[in-house]
Amino acid sequence: GDSVTQMEGPVTLSEEAFLTINCTYTATGYPSLFWYVQYPGEGLQLLLKATKADDKGSNKGFEATYRKETTSFHLEKGSVQVSDSAVYFCALSAGFQKLVFGTGTRLLVSP
Amino acid sequence: NAGVTQTPKFQVLKTGQSMTLQCAQDMNHNSMYWYRQDPGMGLRLIYYSASEGTTDKGEVPNGYNVSRLNKREFSLRLESAAPSQTSVYFCASSDRASGGTDTQYFGPGTRLTVL
Repeated sequence: GDSVTQMEGPVTLSEEAFLTINCTYTATGYPSLFWYVQYPGEGLQLLLKATKADDKGSNKGFEATYRKETTSFHLEKGSVQVSDSAVYFCALSAGFQKLVFGTGTRLLVSP
Repeated sequence: NAGVTQTPKFQVLKTGQSMTLQCAQDMNHNSMYWYRQDPGMGLRLIYYSASEGTTDKGEVPNGYNVSRLNKREFSLRLESAAPSQTSVYFCASSDRASGGTDTQYFGPGTRLTVL
């Protein structure tokens, strides 16, 4: 079945460091891919998405490119801030409006 | 817009007790979902409703029932709570017509503890 694999966390960085969170997927067909973010004590919020191969999703300085050849959708940000500390979930669409989530990666950014 | 709202925010139950988690959305979305979030396991789909009047099982439906009361509301019921149901529960909604690409919008969650 469809699945998403994310790197284990936590990822600990200093402010202004470069961020990469790896995400790979297994799916039949051509799913849409998503990154969601969960801040402490809150629900998930859509961060960015891509609907077809080679699409780049971007928002708030975060970027991810849909790579069909490597089945990946890695999240990157050039300079993280303390306020980016959160849990990040990679997900793919699996059939009619259903999402399959990865296990989440916690990011901790220190001043 | 309030988006997706959930009640209650916190709940403690004893084993065997029953309760209903409420969810409502004001975005006129057709589809609604219930997930549970457990440490190290991400979010797992319990039940979903593709449209008013329909419900379907997700990945982990055992021990739960749902009701799509109308287009706005989708409730999750635990008939006889068990400690294994201790979790954070999230409701979400989506509408392909408005989102176009299966974007789901989440509520703030209900933290449930079963003793």
